[in-house]
Amino acid sequence: DAGITQSPRHKVTETGTPVTLRCHQTENHRYMYWYRQDPGHGLRLIHYSYGVKDTDKGEVSDGYSVSRSKTEDFLLTLESATSSQTSVYFCAISDLAKERRTDTQYFGPGTRLTVL
Amino acid sequence: AQKVTQAQTEISVVEKEDVTLDCVYETRDTTYYLFWYKQPPSGELVFLIRRNSFDEQNEISGRYSWNFQKSTSSFNFTITASQVVDSAVYFCALSGGYYGGSQGNLIFGKGTKLSVKP
Repeated sequence: DAGITQSPRHKVTETGTPVTLRCHQTENHRYMYWYRQDPGHGLRLIHYSYGVKDTDKGEVSDGYSVSRSKTEDFLLTLESATSSQTSVYFCAISDLAKERRTDTQYFGPGTRLTVL
Repeated sequence: AQKVTQAQTEISVVEKEDVTLDCVYETRDTTYYLFWYKQPPSGELVFLIRRNSFDEQNEISGRYSWNFQKSTSSFNFTITASQVVDSAVYFCALSGGYYGGSQGNLIFGKGTKLSVKP
């Protein structure tokens, strides 16, 4: 199994409070991703990182920011949580294959966030 | 635009039946990758297979097999002699690799929930 951990695993918070989710990897992979999973929507990409301090937006980035100061850590921040951000959040990692082709993404265990 | 459609929202079968999960995709990329992931009731996402657009050979792994047909933009997944442990949500996903500037981002279908009853 890929060495990916997410913390916290469960969190309940109130509308308007800031929340930070952490993804930590021990694989030294270059690419890291944050997805959210909602019923009826599958998984949707929030933000991704292609290196330290290199990040970009995904499909549903509004209301979220990310930071990556070390290869192993990728943080997702909800500056002011809203009820629409209640979801399960998954982190994923992948590496760059020799031919610059897509490598497989491996997922962390997920964080269940509830915003009241 | 890239899109993945899993038309079957839920499927219920009895143990030992064969079941096929459908996946249809849309992409303008000439090089792309297709994936299947399994999400059991415990919630984690488990990688099952990756297939690139240049390789249309079908693949078999134990009771699992995959049928990739570029002509119909489909990448279907068959479980032979299903078991209760196969009960899960199965996701099909598409990536355009790094050529389209997407940095390998995955586009997921909405998933098919498979229930295998004893």
